[in-house]
Amino acid sequence: GENVEQHPSTLSVQEGDSAVIKCTYSDSASNYFPWYKQELGKRPQLIIDIRSNVGEKKDQRIAVTLNKTAKHFSLHITETQPEDSAVYFCAASDRRSYIPTFGRGTSLIVHP
Amino acid sequence: SAVISQKPSRDICQRGTSLTIQCQVDSQVTMMFWYRQQPGQSLTLIATANQGSEATYESGFVIDKFPISRPNLTFSTLTVSNMSPEDSSIYLCSVRTSGRAKDTQYFGPGTRLTVL
Repeated sequence: GENVEQHPSTLSVQEGDSAVIKCTYSDSASNYFPWYKQELGKRPQLIIDIRSNVGEKKDQRIAVTLNKTAKHFSLHITETQPEDSAVYFCAASDRRSYIPTFGRGTSLIVHP
Repeated sequence: SAVISQKPSRDICQRGTSLTIQCQVDSQVTMMFWYRQQPGQSLTLIATANQGSEATYESGFVIDKFPISRPNLTFSTLTVSNMSPEDSSIYLCSVRTSGRAKDTQYFGPGTRLTVL
């Protein structure tokens, strides 16, 4: 089955800096890669996703890049703000099951 | 997007008892899932709730411990049976939408379970 590795487990940045979270996956059949943000005590919320027919996708301050050859994808947050502090999960899924496998999560802390 | 509600939001239970968690969606969805999230951990899929048939369980989870019902396309229940303190966790319902938001997965607010 699919295996998703996520790094780092904790990321601490100053407000205004950029943050990058990286994930790798093992199953070459995976073609959908969502990212979820989970604030303390709340449900995971989808913030951005990318499908295997594109290499990069942006939405305001967040962007995701995908390298299918290397089987890795990354989340980039620019101009970080304290409200970006949360746990971020990457995931990968394929057409066969449509069921995502989640990474272990990255705790992002943005210091004001 | 889908609006998902869960009941109860939290509960404290005695070991050996059972708790049934309800999940209601505001629209018909093909796929519903149940996840477990232990404190500070990732999301672990328990099972896929299939409408009109038995749920499909992931490795490490069995029907006797986590019976699931899915009577229609908007509702599902998960029961945590014969509970022990190790079952203390957050249980999340999740759905996959179709149409323009195809393959998009949304989560309910979760049920925080503490077993004493």
